[in-house]
Amino acid sequence: GENVEQHPSTLSVQEGDSAVIKCTYSDSASNYFPWYKQELGKRPQLIIDIRSNVGEKKDQRIAVTLNKTAKHFSLHITETQPEDSAVYFCAASPPLYNFGNEKLTFGTGTRLTIIP
Amino acid sequence: DGGITQSPKYLFRKEGQNVTLSCEQNLNHDAMYWYRQDPGQGLRLIYYSQIVNDFQKGDIAEGYSVSREKKESFPLTVTSAQKNPTAFYLCASSPGPQSGRQFGQGTRLTVV
Repeated sequence: GENVEQHPSTLSVQEGDSAVIKCTYSDSASNYFPWYKQELGKRPQLIIDIRSNVGEKKDQRIAVTLNKTAKHFSLHITETQPEDSAVYFCAASPPLYNFGNEKLTFGTGTRLTIIP
Repeated sequence: DGGITQSPKYLFRKEGQNVTLSCEQNLNHDAMYWYRQDPGQGLRLIYYSQIVNDFQKGDIAEGYSVSREKKESFPLTVTSAQKNPTAFYLCASSPGPQSGRQFGQGTRLTVV
């Protein structure tokens, strides 16, 4: 089955600097890669996702890049703000023909702290 | 206001007792899921259901049971067979294949 590794487990950056979180996956057939943000005491929320037919996707200050050859994908947050402090989870899913939607495998999470 | 609701937020259980966690959604989503979240281990899938009256085991189903009698509801029972039930439990739903999961606010279960 799929195995997703996420690094680092904790990350502290100065407000205004950029943060990068990296994930690797094992199943080369995986083709859907969402990222979730979980603020303290709250539910995880989808912040961005990418499919394997594109290499990069941006949404304001966040972006995700995907390298299918190396089987890794990364979350980039620019101009970080205090409200970016949270735990971030990456995930990977195999194609639909393999019930991909149900086999979303999560990474272990990165606790991001923005230092004012 | 559409959403997914879990109850209760906190739950205490004595060893040897079964306990049921509630999950209700009014989003008209077909698929529903139960995850367990432990520190440093991410989210692990317990059970999922793609359609009413059908559900499948996830990666850590032992000691848990579910039912899906209505589209809106997907309760999880933590049985006495679950060796280490103290955890944060998250219910989620999704509208279709490879679309984002919408999560409930979670239930923190503590065995005393």
